[in-house]
Amino acid sequence: GQQLNQSPQSMFIQEGEDVSMNCTSSSIFNTWLWYKQEPGEGPVLLIALYKAGELTSNGRLTAQFGITRKDSFLNISASIPSDVGIYFCAGQLLGGTSYGKLTFGQGTILTVHP
Amino acid sequence: DAGVTQSPTHLIKTRGQHVTLRCSPISGHKSVSWYQQVLGQGPQFIFQYYEKEERGRGNFPDRFSARQFPNYSSELNVNALLLGDSALYLCASNEQVNQPQHFGDGTRLSIL
Repeated sequence: GQQLNQSPQSMFIQEGEDVSMNCTSSSIFNTWLWYKQEPGEGPVLLIALYKAGELTSNGRLTAQFGITRKDSFLNISASIPSDVGIYFCAGQLLGGTSYGKLTFGQGTILTVHP
Repeated sequence: DAGVTQSPTHLIKTRGQHVTLRCSPISGHKSVSWYQQVLGQGPQFIFQYYEKEERGRGNFPDRFSARQFPNYSSELNVNALLLGDSALYLCASNEQVNQPQHFGDGTRLSIL
């Protein structure tokens, strides 16, 4: 099935460093969302974006909805060990047969060394 | 408040069998969606239900079916199980279909 192009696939960083990851699509979306998944758990919603150009923060996390509506990025500042996990972007297009469906990226595996 | 709850947490089946997975949405949420997550990949959309009606279907064979009950809980059924059906099955709920989806911890299905 269709998936978004998410990069990088994995990151190994030192505690305190900033992290950037992004997601691109060949199709436009009405909504972009970012989730974090830890082993044995389901994805947990971090940030939801609803308008092209929107910049939204949640603590040390900042995400933006690209102007073209085909991309989004997530930044994590001053990383800490508990940031470890897999980060997924997801796009949602409302309307037609795709109504409500989330299309996910392949995930970015984040490892933080103390 | 309780989040999305799924049962069972783990399940082992053999090829050709049938399975039923269950999901209870967050209280007040009327929409439930199902996703399949194969190891190393992002979740893939299977179904969405809103007010007991199917509102969306992903690219899965007819062996996959679902329904939503009057209390908004949902079941996912898979018939004639194949080895490739081994995956984590996730349920998500939201108040309305255009609101963010919140996920349960999934059912880990293993096919032998």
